[in-house]
Amino acid sequence: SQQGEEDPQALSIQEGENATMNCSYKTSINNLQWYRQNSGRGLVHLILIRSNEREKHSGRLRVTLDTSKKSSSLLITASRAADTASYFCATVRGSQGNLIFGKGTKLSVKP
Amino acid sequence: EPEVTQTPSHQVTQMGQEVILRCVPISNHLYFYWYRQILGQKVEFLVSFYNNEISEKSEIFDDQFSVERPDGSNFTLKIRSTKLEDSAMYFCASRPDGNEKLFFGSGTQLSVL
Repeated sequence: SQQGEEDPQALSIQEGENATMNCSYKTSINNLQWYRQNSGRGLVHLILIRSNEREKHSGRLRVTLDTSKKSSSLLITASRAADTASYFCATVRGSQGNLIFGKGTKLSVKP
Repeated sequence: EPEVTQTPSHQVTQMGQEVILRCVPISNHLYFYWYRQILGQKVEFLVSFYNNEISEKSEIFDDQFSVERPDGSNFTLKIRSTKLEDSAMYFCASRPDGNEKLFFGSGTQLSVL
């Protein structure tokens, strides 16, 4: 089964605007994580939200989690050109911490 | 800051050849992973490794694939007989015990011709 499907697939905004990306998943989770990937590079962990949390902040990032809807959103406020990247949500499968990633949202922030 | 390192960054091989992709995880990490990403597609889990053995593998990780931790620092992925569809970016990741966050390397771009 697929976990962590993001939408939209692509998002293009102007610098200074907010970017919102959504993620849906199918099974129960202990936590949900968001990662960022610059073009051709590895993934970088951004933020982790646990199943008993509803909202979490880290700098310009705000993550929400709605376990009843099995969905999460990532908000980047006051976006910058340097935020241009792909963003993935991921959920854990199994007991070894294996992350299952969605297809990602490709964010383009235009200066 | 410690990081996961992968070599080579690019690997070109002929179909049917064996390749070994190398990774040096962060030194105090105990869990190791390989993922792959075909161009423009999602990041796919291949295998996890803990305590010197495979702990979980996906359906992609068939008999052509193997992993090894030959010493205290390296973690390798071997593909015995490469196919065209093995062309992808391969990422190594690791994490310490008690931390659910994965640390990824920059990847090895494998091109099978």
